[in-house]
Amino acid sequence: ETGVTQTPRHLVMGMTNKKSLKCEQHLGHNAMYWYKQSAKKPLELMFVYSLEERVENNSVPSRFSPECPNSSHLFLHLHTLQPEDSALYLCASSQVGIGLAGGISYNEQFFGPGTRLTVL
Amino acid sequence: AQKITQTQPGMFVQEKEAVTLDCTYDTSDQSYGLFWYKQPSSGEMIFLIYQGSYDEQNATEGRYSLNFQKARKSANLVISASQLGDSAMYFCAMRILGGAQKLVFGQGTRLTINP
Repeated sequence: ETGVTQTPRHLVMGMTNKKSLKCEQHLGHNAMYWYKQSAKKPLELMFVYSLEERVENNSVPSRFSPECPNSSHLFLHLHTLQPEDSALYLCASSQVGIGLAGGISYNEQFFGPGTRLTVL
Repeated sequence: AQKITQTQPGMFVQEKEAVTLDCTYDTSDQSYGLFWYKQPSSGEMIFLIYQGSYDEQNATEGRYSLNFQKARKSANLVISASQLGDSAMYFCAMRILGGAQKLVFGQGTRLTINP
């Protein structure tokens, strides 16, 4: 596997279900992100794990719960979602600070293909 | 607060023509970075080009160039010799350097290349 992978690619769930989205990065990066992309809205940053520190968007409801067990894996646990939570959920990773080769990095974020979530 | 504005929801361009996608930004910070991403229908966001606020020259990457006008707070993406595969959503984004790793995105422009 290369780059950033996400599973599942598509998920349909009821409002009472509990599910988890998984993201894995194979780039040796030290920061990972969850974004929500709704129709006709800009991408919205939900959570950042950077250098073992978690930063979150205060507007994200508590029914979304992230978990980052190590620098390569990121999960988004979902429970009692609402239909308005239906969206494309994108995971990204980046190298914060000095680049992997010792040079300065743009810190550009590399994205996975996303999970298309539908809440019924 | 930081904000990115992309005023063109959609653009249609003939193949092989050049196209400019507009992006203006708002920030009071002196150190920031500007990014352009491409999102094909598959959903994945693909990094295209980066411009730092202190970079004196406009960034270029192959057919992509960034027309950076700092005083006007604009960072337009120019695609030369457009190809059918360039049809996608394009997002402009900004990150404040030295702070948390947060990218602020614009609403995007849907570019369609006609044969």
